[in-house]
Amino acid sequence: AQTVTQSQPEMSVQEAETVTLSCTYDTSENNYYLFWYKQPPSRQMILVIRQEAYKQQNATENRFSVNFQKAAKSFSLKISDSQLGDTAMYFCAFMRWGAQKLVFGQGTRLTINP
Amino acid sequence: DAGVIQSPRHEVTEMGQEVTLRCKPISGHDYLFWYRQTMMRGLELLIYFNNNVPIDDSGMPEDRFSAKMPNASFSTLKIQPSEPRDSAVYFCASSLSPVPWLFFGEGSRLTVL
Repeated sequence: AQTVTQSQPEMSVQEAETVTLSCTYDTSENNYYLFWYKQPPSRQMILVIRQEAYKQQNATENRFSVNFQKAAKSFSLKISDSQLGDTAMYFCAFMRWGAQKLVFGQGTRLTINP
Repeated sequence: DAGVIQSPRHEVTEMGQEVTLRCKPISGHDYLFWYRQTMMRGLELLIYFNNNVPIDDSGMPEDRFSAKMPNASFSTLKIQPSEPRDSAVYFCASSLSPVPWLFFGEGSRLTVL
């Protein structure tokens, strides 16, 4: 079974700083997807970014980028120029190719301070 | 296009009562998932359906929990009888294979007193 580990329960940075959230996973699969979801206080689960394991290039979405290290089974999220609206829980998630279901990490609570 | 719709958004009930949570997936999606979120256990997959058929219910905690999907546009998660430890946020999500992207509803917060 796949497992996802987020070792940072909480993080806090100042507005405009860059912050990196860590995620490691364990799988014997070669083809899979990795995701970062954001959950603000509204409770809505919002997809932030997605990475296909077969792609060597790291995914980016505006201020959000990932550092995907397949051999190390590491998938960190970098938020540049952090904003107050980035305050949320962030979940790393794994999906085996063709499985459609997500396995989530425990989450990291990120607070952006003014 | 409407997203995944869940009801009720909040539910407060007393131990022993029956609770029914409802979900309307995005039209055309062929997968539907029920997740539970608690502080202690995070986000757990309870059960998921493909084309209205339950595929994996190994995450359902016990026989008090049941889920149905009578048609492509509606699913229910029922807890009978409810217990205080069932207090959690229950999320429904849907997806359209093979696109690996789950769309989540806003969740139903259940409090069992």
